[in-house]
Amino acid sequence: DAKTTQPNSMESNEEEPVHLPCNHSTISGTDYIHWYRQLPSQGPEYVIHGLTSNVNNRMASLAIAEDRKSSTLILHRATLRDAAVYYCILRVTGNQFYFGTGTSLTVIP
Amino acid sequence: EAQVTQNPRYLITVTGKKLTVTCSQNMNHEYMSWYRQDPGLGLRQIYYSMNVEATDKGDVPEGYKVSRKEKRNFPLILESPSPNQTSLYFCASSPARRDRNTEAFFGQGTRLTVV
Repeated sequence: DAKTTQPNSMESNEEEPVHLPCNHSTISGTDYIHWYRQLPSQGPEYVIHGLTSNVNNRMASLAIAEDRKSSTLILHRATLRDAAVYYCILRVTGNQFYFGTGTSLTVIP
Repeated sequence: EAQVTQNPRYLITVTGKKLTVTCSQNMNHEYMSWYRQDPGLGLRQIYYSMNVEATDKGDVPEGYKVSRKEKRNFPLILESPSPNQTSLYFCASSPARRDRNTEAFFGQGTRLTVV
C-alpha cells in the first residue's frame, strides 16, 4: 500500500506560487516527511523535510497539517527550472525512504 | 564535491549474464540503498544497508544481491538478469542518525536493458 498519495500532475504559471499537496494518512509519530524533485535524466534531488513544524529553506516551504496526515510543498515563485516530478516521501524508523508516485509539475511561461 | 557515483550509466546485457552496478559515496555516510524506477510506479527500494556488513531487503529484492564490505561502496549484483529487470536504477546515501533528520543524496542513475 502506498504510504503517500499525490496528484499525478499540476500546472502553474511562471512566477506564481505553487502548492503541491500530499496525503500520508498512515504516518506514524516518528516518520519524517521529505520532498525531493527529479529533473529529466537525473537522480532525485533533495528539496526540504520536516517532522511537525512548518519548514522554510532557500528552495521552498513545507507546510505540515496539525494531525500530520497531509503536507504541502510551496514553491513561492515558480520558474521554468522548477518543472520536474516532485516526490513526497516518508522516512520511517529504520531510515528507509518510501516514495509516492510523484507529481509532474509543468510551468507555463 | 559531495557525490554518489554510479557506474555504468547505461548498460545493455543479455538474459542470464551476471552483472554488477557499482555505487560509491564520498560523504562517509552509514546508510546506502538501491532503488528501481519504472513508469507509473515511482521509485521502489530494492535493498538497503545501515552500515558495513549490515544489509536488508527492501520492497522488491527478488533477483538482486548486494554487499557492503566497505563504508563507501554498495554494489548491486544481478546474478542472472531477466528482461523484467530492465529499469532505471538509483543508488542513494545518507547519514543514519537516530532521529533520521537528514537528507539523502542520489546518484545519476543506471539505465539497464536486459534482452
